[in-house]
Amino acid sequence: DSGVTQTPKHLITATGQRVTLRCSPRSGDLSVYWYQQSLDQGLQFLIQYYNGEERAKGNILERFSAQQFPDLHSELNLSSLELGDSALYFCASSPYGDTQYFGPGTRLTVL
Amino acid sequence: AQSVTQLGSHVSVSEGALVLLRCNYSSSVPPYLFWYVQYPNQGLQLLLKYTTGATLVKGINGFEAEFKKSETSFHLTKPSAHMSDAAEYFCAVSRGSGGYQKVTFGTGTKLQVIP
Repeated sequence: DSGVTQTPKHLITATGQRVTLRCSPRSGDLSVYWYQQSLDQGLQFLIQYYNGEERAKGNILERFSAQQFPDLHSELNLSSLELGDSALYFCASSPYGDTQYFGPGTRLTVL
Repeated sequence: AQSVTQLGSHVSVSEGALVLLRCNYSSSVPPYLFWYVQYPNQGLQLLLKYTTGATLVKGINGFEAEFKKSETSFHLTKPSAHMSDAAEYFCAVSRGSGGYQKVTFGTGTKLQVIP
């Protein structure tokens, strides 16, 4: 158990819909990262927050957005969902920005 | 810019044989280097990491990796493969300090262990 929690574990929705994925980092970790993992694209870095501020952006679509709240939990919002958005979404947290501790992931299925 | 190259998306070894997973990196500054493992339907977990100091790093489950600056490599090895080692392995490089480290993952190598 990494200490990072993600909810929900599974999410099934339809194209065009909007969903929110939630991540609670390890106690005291200020950095939160979001990743997308799919069979065809592998592990893709989406975005990083540090103590509430966006620090780095990767291959994140404009339909996706994220934020980190004062209590350090983070949410990833995915809108206008497409079939290709079906993937595992991981959150990771880090105390000092080097070692990342990954959550168990949210499996998103878009039908 | 930094990058990571993992040679071989799939590697098969026999149970008891040597495991060697290759990772080469590029970085304009001294990097931190990591190996993570992902078991099916789970998140990634840290196997080992190199920051500074001794270039041979020992990790969990009998794995180790050696940082070779001249070869810009950080290959992962294990003397004797177990069935339980079947998983996907990711090499990663980071640079920076504090909360501003940029981490780049390789594309992963799936290890199959044949009984």
